[in-house]
Amino acid sequence: EVQLVESGGGLVKPGGSLRLSCVASGLAFSNVWMSWVRQAPGKGLEWVGRIKRKVDGEQTDFAAPVKGRITISRDDSKNTLYLQMDSLKTEDTAVYFCATGYSNGYEYWGQGALVTVSS
Amino acid sequence: DIQMTQSPSSLSASVGDRVTITCRASQNINNRVNWYQQKPGKAPQLLIYDASTLHSGVPSRISGSGSGTDFTLIISSLQPEDFATYYCQQTYYTLWSFGQGTNVEIK
Repeated sequence: EVQLVESGGGLVKPGGSLRLSCVASGLAFSNVWMSWVRQAPGKGLEWVGRIKRKVDGEQTDFAAPVKGRITISRDDSKNTLYLQMDSLKTEDTAVYFCATGYSNGYEYWGQGALVTVSS
Repeated sequence: DIQMTQSPSSLSASVGDRVTITCRASQNINNRVNWYQQKPGKAPQLLIYDASTLHSGVPSRISGSGSGTDFTLIISSLQPEDFATYYCQQTYYTLWSFGQGTNVEIK
């Protein structure tokens, strides 16, 4: 059974930093692209960014609202995905999901980690 | 960036109804559209990928079609477990994006 488990969420002040982790089990982690998707309270899904596989150069791409403020990395030896968020804004308040799949589409999702940016 | 516009934003329907949700892309995205279902407090679940391929375990009353810029999700006979929010997603361009969602409510 595939499991994605996020951790690291919490309350942070505007301008602060936070790092989320997503530990994967039950899948060939090194063979899949990994993504972060967020959902602000009561709002829709927003694609945040993605990291490709090592064989693809671990290329990262980010949505415009977060570009320059976030970094996505992966440690294939630990089956772990990371989301480093800096210069956080109140509008970054959301549940952050890690997601992946072998085909097109996210067939596997984590349970989500709540990040609250507030003074 | 590619904009994905879903319609309607919400709808009310009864069990047994045929429900159609559309998604329009701001540019040609070939067939690179996925559909998800999300229930409150839960992670989304993949329903359809590549516009029309049913994900494993998804009931056959759910189908998808379209290519280019216009896509459709159809639930042929709405069941109680189908009341949820549905999202389309494009994965054609480098920066992926979701539609704003369609909330399917009980009439």
